Amino acid sequence: AQRVTQPEKLLSVFKGAPVELKCNYSYSGSPELFWYVQYSRQRLQLLLRHISRESIKGFTADLNKGETSFHLKKPFAQEEDSAMYYCALNLNTGGFKTIFGAGTRLFVKA
Amino acid sequence: DTEVTQTPKHLVMGMTNKKSLKCEQHMGHRAMYWYKQKAKKPPELMFVYSYEKLSINESVPSRFSPECPNSSLLNLHLHALQPEDSALYLCASGQGGNQPQHFGDGTRLSIL
Repeated sequence: AQRVTQPEKLLSVFKGAPVELKCNYSYSGSPELFWYVQYSRQRLQLLLRHISRESIKGFTADLNKGETSFHLKKPFAQEEDSAMYYCALNLNTGGFKTIFGAGTRLFVKA
Repeated sequence: DTEVTQTPKHLVMGMTNKKSLKCEQHMGHRAMYWYKQKAKKPPELMFVYSYEKLSINESVPSRFSPECPNSSLLNLHLHALQPEDSALYLCASGQGGNQPQHFGDGTRLSIL
């Protein structure tokens, strides 16, 4: 079955601490994975996609097919990183379906 | 134009009313989506249109009726809604594959 799992509902860290938001997926096809972020009172927006292998706002995410994971990492968290983060999987079917994880709320304390 | 525009931003309606939500994108995306999002929950897929045809209906009650008049527009017609239908309704567009979805700001719907 196709599934995206984010095991932590809430992650609270101090400013300047490293942060890792976990994402595991289950999919028999070739995964197309994304991290989306929803800041307070803002629209849901793309943060990262695995294919571009870039760093956005200091965040990186590496696809590990062996562990079926796509964890989001940042070495030094900032207060403005506080938001809701969703891991998502595009299914390679004709229906253009995306499966979202349950989300992790990141709270960065001063 | 890299935005998805949704109107109205807020909507309050009674259970016997008929109203419509509208969504527009001019990025040439071949797929458009309706999601329902409750507070502190992920978006929940309702419908997908691909190439202007309904390709996915996630067993949504018939009181929600989608329509795709052309490749840039997506409507969601509402009739006889229930209080539990109160939520943020998000529209998105995308190309599928390794491309992300682009989301609108949503319509916050309250059913009295």
